Amino acid sequence: NAGVTQTPKFQVLKTGQSMTLQCAQDMNHEYMSWYRQDPGMGLRLIHYSVGAGITDQGEVPNGYNVSRSTTEDFPLRLLSAAPSQTSVYFCASSYLDKRETQYFGPGTRLLVL
Amino acid sequence: QKEVEQDPGPLSVPEGAIVSLNCTYSNSAFQYFMWYRQYSRKGPELLMYTYSSGNKEDGRFTAQVDKSSKYISLFIRDSQPSDSATYLCAMSANSNYQLIWGAGTKLIIKP
Repeated sequence: NAGVTQTPKFQVLKTGQSMTLQCAQDMNHEYMSWYRQDPGMGLRLIHYSVGAGITDQGEVPNGYNVSRSTTEDFPLRLLSAAPSQTSVYFCASSYLDKRETQYFGPGTRLLVL
Repeated sequence: QKEVEQDPGPLSVPEGAIVSLNCTYSNSAFQYFMWYRQYSRKGPELLMYTYSSGNKEDGRFTAQVDKSSKYISLFIRDSQPSDSATYLCAMSANSNYQLIWGAGTKLIIKP
């Protein structure tokens, strides 16, 4: 099992550019989520999904879009990058009724200039 | 006020010391209490979780929950340099609810 994979590992964007962060899991988990992690602020939930075709907003959804067309994949789209979106992004997955046990990807470091 | 408060540290202790990491919370509905460990430039990984009150032990690690004080702790005995990491607490009211995270405490174990 590869677990949760994320690409790219690191990305530099200019203000206004768009990009997609990829996330995939091979554990057949129903629940997938995206977090951002900033110094001193812990993990903040951006968007989450409880199954294919179902997504919902988390704590900080503005400026981000998601879709879930398959159980395995959960891409995060930045529509028009801003310097405030400079952060480390983590994708996580779990079984729907065992969210205390979340499996995280290695993260994507994003720098917006 | 945040729902979950955690001192960001850093906390620096000598090798072999007993380490105590703590979180306080305000929501009395929380029933699941988790500790995740995050090494530098890696994703968090679940270390331990406790349901409701009491203690749970796993090797050198002990998780403790005091619901009356809304306070949870993680103790590390015989700390090793390999324990150097950021420790995040997380909580939820139910196993199918969102997790609420603390800010994380950076722990440094000096050889």
